[in-house]
Amino acid sequence: AQTVTQSQPEMSVQEAETVTLSCTYDTSESDYYLFWYKQPPSRQMILVIRQEAYKQQNATENRFSVNFQKAAKSFSLKISDSQLGDAAMYFCAYRRGADNYGQNFVFGPGTRLSVLP
Amino acid sequence: DAMVIQNPRYQVTQFGKPVTLSCSQTLNHNVMYWYQQKSSQAPKLLFHYYDKDFNNEADTPDNFQSRRPNTSFCFLDIRSPGLGDAAMYLCATSRKGGQPQHFGDGTRLSIL
Repeated sequence: AQTVTQSQPEMSVQEAETVTLSCTYDTSESDYYLFWYKQPPSRQMILVIRQEAYKQQNATENRFSVNFQKAAKSFSLKISDSQLGDAAMYFCAYRRGADNYGQNFVFGPGTRLSVLP
Repeated sequence: DAMVIQNPRYQVTQFGKPVTLSCSQTLNHNVMYWYQQKSSQAPKLLFHYYDKDFNNEADTPDNFQSRRPNTSFCFLDIRSPGLGDAAMYLCATSRKGGQPQHFGDGTRLSIL
């Protein structure tokens, strides 16, 4: 079974600084997708960034970028120029690629990010 | 805007009294999911529908059931809620393939 590990339960960053959240996963599959989701306190979970395992290029969305190391099974999220609104729980998630194996997403335990003014 | 809507936002029920949570979507996505999320924990998948095909997680308690009468709606039924079932329940949808999930705001369930 696939597992997703986030080794940092809590992180903090100064406003305008850069922070990196780590994620590792375990799978025997070669075709899969990886995601970072953000869940602000008492608010909706939203997608931050998505990476396809067959793409070597790291995904980027504005201030958010990933460092995808397929051989190491590592998928870290870098937040540049941190803003107060970035404070949230961040979940790393994995999804197997093949449709006929079901649609399950596997979530990591989360990292709570605080942004200090 | 297309979205995932969960009703109600807050639900209070009594120990052992059946309760139903609802989810609707305007995204026309194939897949609908129900998750249970307890405080500061990752969402735990209960089950999902791929179109009309129902997929139950092995460790989902027997008193949790789901219905999907059409593409747009999905319901979570808890037949006999226990105190341990108090949690946030998240509904999500996705297209098939490696597309991301879209989440509703969740229903926070309290058990008295």
